[in-house]
Parts: sequence; C-alpha cells; structure tokens
Amino acid sequence: GDSVTQMEGPVTLSEEAFLTINCTYTATGYPSLFWYVQYPGEGLQLLLKATKADDKGSNKGFEATYRKETTSFHLEKGSVQVSDSAVYFCALSESSSNTGKLIFGQGTTLQVKP
Amino acid sequence: EAGVTQSPTHLIKTRGQQATLRCSPISGHTSVYWYQQALGLGLQFLLWYDEGEERNRGNFPPRFSGRQFPNYSSELNVNALELEDSALYLCASLTTGVGNTIYFGEGSWLTVV
Repeated sequence: GDSVTQMEGPVTLSEEAFLTINCTYTATGYPSLFWYVQYPGEGLQLLLKATKADDKGSNKGFEATYRKETTSFHLEKGSVQVSDSAVYFCALSESSSNTGKLIFGQGTTLQVKP
Repeated sequence: EAGVTQSPTHLIKTRGQQATLRCSPISGHTSVYWYQQALGLGLQFLLWYDEGEERNRGNFPPRFSGRQFPNYSSELNVNALELEDSALYLCASLTTGVGNTIYFGEGSWLTVV
C-alpha cells in the first residue's frame, strides 16, 4: 500500500538557519502531497500542497517540490524562526481511490533556538 | 468562513465508560474523517463518512464507531474505554472530488484514567 517516510527527528536549528526535512513516498498512482504543521497543543494545519509532478507548494517561506522521479517532497525554508518550532507531517492522499484519505509520515519535530 | 470545529476540547473519562466526540465540517464539505493521534503512534486513520454513510474504517476495534448527520456534522463514539484510548482525536473535512484538500479541526483530547 501507499506509504510516507520522513526523516527522523528531532531537528534542532539556530534561528535563521536553513531547514530541510526529507520526505519520500511510495504510491502506485499519482497522489497529491501535503505538508501539515502541528504547533504545541494544537491540531494540524495545512502548510502547503502539490497535486502533480514538478508542482511547487509554498507558504510562509516554506517550499516543497513534488519530485516524481525521486518520489520525494522535501520541505525547505531558507531562514527559520523560533516560531517555526513545531511537528511537521508529510502526507499523501491515497492514490488507489478517490477517498481523500491521507497517509501520514511519522512526523518530524523541529526546535529552533534563538 | 468557519473552519472545522470540534467539541469538547478536553474530556476525562474513566476506564470502561463511553466517550462521545463531535465535529462540524467546513460549510459545504460533505466528507468527514476521524484520526487518532496517540503518543508514539503517529496519526492513525479511524473513520470516513460521506453523505451520511460510513465509507471506510481503519484498523480499530468495533467499539470505535460513529455517525454522520444530515447536516454533515459527525459524532465519534468510543465504548468500553481503555487506557490506551487516551489520545488527541482529530476531525477533518473535505469536499468530494479529486485533488481536494483535507482541513483539520483543533482536536479533542481524550484522557482515560
């Protein structure tokens, strides 16, 4: 079945550092790909998405490009802030049927220090 | 436009009791999903409702059940609560169609003691 693998955390960075969180996926079809963010004590918020190969999703300085050839959707940000500290989840929509059901990676905790 | 709303925010129950969690989807969204986020287990798909029908369920025992009402709001019921049911329960909604996006509520924290 479809699956998502994220890099293990936690990731600890200093403010203004460059961020990359790796995400790779396995899918039989052409899923849509998502990054969600969960701030402490809160639910999940959609950060960005891409629905087809070579699409780039972007929001709040974060970017991710849908790479079909490497089955990847890595999250990047050029300069992180303390307020970016959160758990980041990569997800794909099941490609086997039009259900919209999401398959999540295990989440990567990001801690940004001032 | 209001997002996905869930209630209660926090709920404390005793082992063996029943818990009921509620969710209102974004206006116009007909599909509702429930996910469980338990400590150390990540996000697990629980249930999917669309147009009042249960369309799919994850690998959870039958004591996890729910329903969707004509106004597309939904309830999740957990019977015979066990300590390991303690988790954040997230509801999400989606309009039908390909490539649409799932939006989550803030979640309901269930603690079983």
